[in-house]
Amino acid sequence: DSGVTQTPKHLITATGQRVTLRCSPRSGDLSVYWYQQSLDQGLQFLIQYYNGEERAKGNILERFSAQQFPDLHSELNLSSLELGDSALYFCASSPRLAGVKNEQFFGPGTRLTVL
Amino acid sequence: AQKITQTQPGMFVQEKEAVTLDCTYDTSDQSYGLFWYKQPSSGEMIFLIYQGSYDEQNATEGRYSLNFQKARKSANLVISASQLGDSAMYFCAMREGTGNQFYFGTGTSLTVIP
Repeated sequence: DSGVTQTPKHLITATGQRVTLRCSPRSGDLSVYWYQQSLDQGLQFLIQYYNGEERAKGNILERFSAQQFPDLHSELNLSSLELGDSALYFCASSPRLAGVKNEQFFGPGTRLTVL
Repeated sequence: AQKITQTQPGMFVQEKEAVTLDCTYDTSDQSYGLFWYKQPSSGEMIFLIYQGSYDEQNATEGRYSLNFQKARKSANLVISASQLGDSAMYFCAMREGTGNQFYFGTGTSLTVIP
């Protein structure tokens, strides 16, 4: 158990809908990262927050947004869902903003299925 | 150019044998960190081992060791005495000294044969 929690574990929804994925980082970790893992794209970095502020952006679609709250939990909002958004969404946390030995600890993931 | 390249989509190894999973990386930073993660069929990502670019010795963690060849920009994972529970996807990743992003490879699927 990495100490990172994600809810829900599974989510099934329809195209055009909007969903919110939630992540609680390990105790004391200030950085939160979101990743999308689909079969044909591998693990794609979406976005990073550090202590409430957005710090890095990867291949995140405009239909997706995220935020980190004062209690450090984070939410990833996915809207106007398409079939291609079906994937495993991971949250990871790390204690610091940067530094090469700033390993990430992953949550169990949320499996999103868009029908 | 890809930051992390894993050229072996799938590997097979006999139980109790050693196996090497390849990883090459691309960076112009002098300071960087290399990581390996294991993803079993249940889906979670498990951190295995870390190697810093300035570390003089190859990292080891139990049955996992990292064959770090800086000049060749390779960081291969060696699993000794393979067990059935080692069957999983393995991902190599890098964090550069500049920037906050983690770069992941496409992974290698390892199957341990009894």
